Amino acid sequence: EPEVTQTPSHQVTQMGQEVILRCVPISNHLYFYWYRQILGQKVEFLVSFYNNEISEKSEIFDDQFSVERPDGSNFTLKIRSTKLEDSAMYFCASSKDRGRNFGPGTRLTVL
Amino acid sequence: KNEVEQSPQNLTAQEGEFITINCSYSVGISALHWLQQHPGGGIVSLFMLSSGKKKHGRLIATINIQEKHSSLHITASHPRDSAVYICAVGRGSQGNLIFGKGTKLSVKP
Repeated sequence: EPEVTQTPSHQVTQMGQEVILRCVPISNHLYFYWYRQILGQKVEFLVSFYNNEISEKSEIFDDQFSVERPDGSNFTLKIRSTKLEDSAMYFCASSKDRGRNFGPGTRLTVL
Repeated sequence: KNEVEQSPQNLTAQEGEFITINCSYSVGISALHWLQQHPGGGIVSLFMLSSGKKKHGRLIATINIQEKHSSLHITASHPRDSAVYICAVGRGSQGNLIFGKGTKLSVKP
């Protein structure tokens, strides 16, 4: 069964550095999402992406964040200048309808 | 007030017991999702429903749109069912999901 994959599984970075989290959605899916989960807290929506543009974003998704689908397979989340509070698990998901297939997550640690 | 409330927050059961986890929401929704998050962190989608009832193996999910309430039932629970179960509601055709805080289930052998 096809799966959403994410790389890296764990990223450690210094505050102020840029990070790019990568996702490969399921190939015939049309909708792509990023979510984050700060340790011990609930999952939060960041952004949804459809037809090569952002379809919805949350208040968390400020100017420090951007998403891109650089080719036919990858979907990336960039954080331009990381802050300590960006430390979290970041989940990518994809869907072809209202369902969701989640990736395994990338744990981002900002020091 | 949270838009999605789950109860209980924590649940300990003996193997074989019937388990119910509840979810109430306060907003209009297009669909409700039940998700399972394992200790390693990965999230698996269990059900998406907008009306009625769905069943998959030992798992049953129901939703009452009028009462804005959903339940997840696990029959003949097993230690491998131990996980956090998360209710999330979707708004609009492809809108964001609003997540509950999750119910941590521990099934003892």
